[in-house]
Amino acid sequence: DSGVTQTPKHLITATGQRVTLRCSPRSGDLSVYWYQQSLDQGLQFLIQYYNGEERAKGNILERFSAQQFPDLHSELNLSSLELGDSALYFCASSKIPQGAAGELFFGEGSRLTVL
Amino acid sequence: TQLLEQSPQFLSIQEGENLTVYCNSSSVFSSLQWYRQEPGEGPVLLVTVVTGGEVKKLKRLTFQFGDARKDSSLHITAAQPGDTGLYLCAGAGSNYKLTFGKGTLLTVNP
Repeated sequence: DSGVTQTPKHLITATGQRVTLRCSPRSGDLSVYWYQQSLDQGLQFLIQYYNGEERAKGNILERFSAQQFPDLHSELNLSSLELGDSALYFCASSKIPQGAAGELFFGEGSRLTVL
Repeated sequence: TQLLEQSPQFLSIQEGENLTVYCNSSSVFSSLQWYRQEPGEGPVLLVTVVTGGEVKKLKRLTFQFGDARKDSSLHITAAQPGDTGLYLCAGAGSNYKLTFGKGTLLTVNP
């Protein structure tokens, strides 16, 4: 158990819909990262927050948005869903703001299926 | 964009065999991490290497960071079915942002 909690574990929805994925980081970790994992693209970095502020942005689509709340939990919002958005979405947390040599602790992921 | 190429993409071996998987890039990384991901789980950190030429051992796993800090290898001795999983390397650039390779999917058959 990494200490990172993600909900829901599985989600099936239709094209055009909007979903929200939730993440609670490990106790004491201020940084939250969101990644998308698919078979062809591997693990792609989407966005990072540190103590409520956006710290880094990766390959995140404009249809996607995220935020980190004062209690440090984070939400990833995916809207106008397309078939290609079907993937595993991981949240990770760490103690330090940037990767450096620090360890990322990953949750078990949310598997999104868009039909 | 810093890219990490992992090879082979898939590897299926018998229990007791040795294997090496590779992680290569044209970019220099300040550090490199190896993670293992099992089905239905998130990646779990195995090791971080920081110094060019560094070798780290974790039981039957040996990790090496290239002298130029552009590549790394993971060698497993006497593989066991419990070693089955997706092995991911991740490099940290000058801005410390981690870039992941696509991974090597290892299957160790009993």
